[in-house]
Amino acid sequence: QKEVEQDPGPLSVPEGAIVSLNCTYSNSAFQYFMWYRQYSRKGPELLMYTYSSGNKEDGRFTAQVDKSSKYISLFIRDSQPSDSATYLCAMGHAGNMLTFGGGTRLMVKP
Amino acid sequence: DTGVSQDPRHKITKRGQNVTFRCDPISEHNRLYWYRQTLGQGPEFLTYFQNEAQLEKSRLLSDRFSAERPKGSFSTLEIQRTEQGDSAMYLCASRHGQGNTGELFFGEGSRLTVL
Repeated sequence: QKEVEQDPGPLSVPEGAIVSLNCTYSNSAFQYFMWYRQYSRKGPELLMYTYSSGNKEDGRFTAQVDKSSKYISLFIRDSQPSDSATYLCAMGHAGNMLTFGGGTRLMVKP
Repeated sequence: DTGVSQDPRHKITKRGQNVTFRCDPISEHNRLYWYRQTLGQGPEFLTYFQNEAQLEKSRLLSDRFSAERPKGSFSTLEIQRTEQGDSAMYLCASRHGQGNTGELFFGEGSRLTVL
């Protein structure tokens, strides 16, 4: 079993929809949690970053962490075609490398 | 452009040949990471450097793989006697050793195709 599990999708939604992306993890040592967005044939770029359980909001994006359930989510409001990409969750603990999920491919249709 | 730079962007080689990839990190970043990503998968950690010291290597990094970071600046990743299973995107990332842990800045990647 992988340390970080993520549904690969693809997830197809109409423009304007609310998107929910999720990851589960098994390593209770993970202390910080991130979401990266990766466009085709490009490197990942950081979207959201959080240390603690709870919610963090940035514009149309909300990251949610539930350490007790070992579950993290990313919500995208008012989704746009430009949001079509692969979304990678990533997590780590102090000083160590990040461990990534397999990524969820999102398609937002106009 | 002050981002992470990788070269070449795409390399096609025949099985058994050696290949080398270069990464130039963001100049003030002292930590540099190499990841490998295959189609439909997330990046997998290979190795990382703090300045010129290679501090950790994954079990994925077989004896055919070697990475260096002379003088703590750019880094190279060499793959000897390439195999078809080495075909992947090789991603380089960098960050400060201090401050927010984990916020990696990635390059565009070097895509390897082994025929």
